[in-house]
Amino acid sequence: AQSVSQHNHHVILSEAASLELGCNYSYGGTVNLFWYVQYPGQHLQLLLKYFSGDPLVKGIKGFEAEFIKSKFSFNLRKPSVQWSDTAEYFCAVNAYSPDAGGTSYGKLTFGQGTILTVHP
Amino acid sequence: GAVVSQHPSWVICKSGTSVKIECRSLDFQATTMFWYRQFPKQSLMLMATSNEGSKATYEQGVEKDKFLINHASLTLSTLTVTSAHPEDSSFYICSASGGQFNQPQHFGDGTRLSIL
Repeated sequence: AQSVSQHNHHVILSEAASLELGCNYSYGGTVNLFWYVQYPGQHLQLLLKYFSGDPLVKGIKGFEAEFIKSKFSFNLRKPSVQWSDTAEYFCAVNAYSPDAGGTSYGKLTFGQGTILTVHP
Repeated sequence: GAVVSQHPSWVICKSGTSVKIECRSLDFQATTMFWYRQFPKQSLMLMATSNEGSKATYEQGVEKDKFLINHASLTLSTLTVTSAHPEDSSFYICSASGGQFNQPQHFGDGTRLSIL
């Protein structure tokens, strides 16, 4: 079974600082990778996703993530954070298992989440 | 687009009561819906996957008779917590997707369940 690890539980930054949130997964097969964001009091929203192709993925609000297959990593980055980026960020993996049948499609495994606090 | 509505958003009830939570995809057909549980300061844990018209697939450790899932249509799935007890108090979140491998999930706002 796949697992996802996010290295930092809580990151505190000042506005304009650069951000990198680590995400590593354990699965040897084909994966889809996601970053979701949960703003205070709101539901999870998709930030960006990687399915195939260019390993550098650009998402909404200036976020990007790089898939490094050899490192099983999918780190999230933003060059200059804003106060409005304060939220909890979840990395998620959808592992493709052709033997598991249709019910494995879309099954996400989430990391523990990283709370980002940005001070103005 | 891709809005998922979850109802109710918060429910408080007595121990022994059964509680039903609804999850609706408002503007797309959700072939597959997922139910998650989130404890405070922890990540989402998948409870079960439901495909329209078939029985749900439960994750290991999740009691099928405790958490009844019905996915009778392409826009509605329900989770019923039967004979709820205080340890069932948690935040329950549903998500929906078109069911294909490369379709991202769209999440509802969640339901906070408090059992007294």
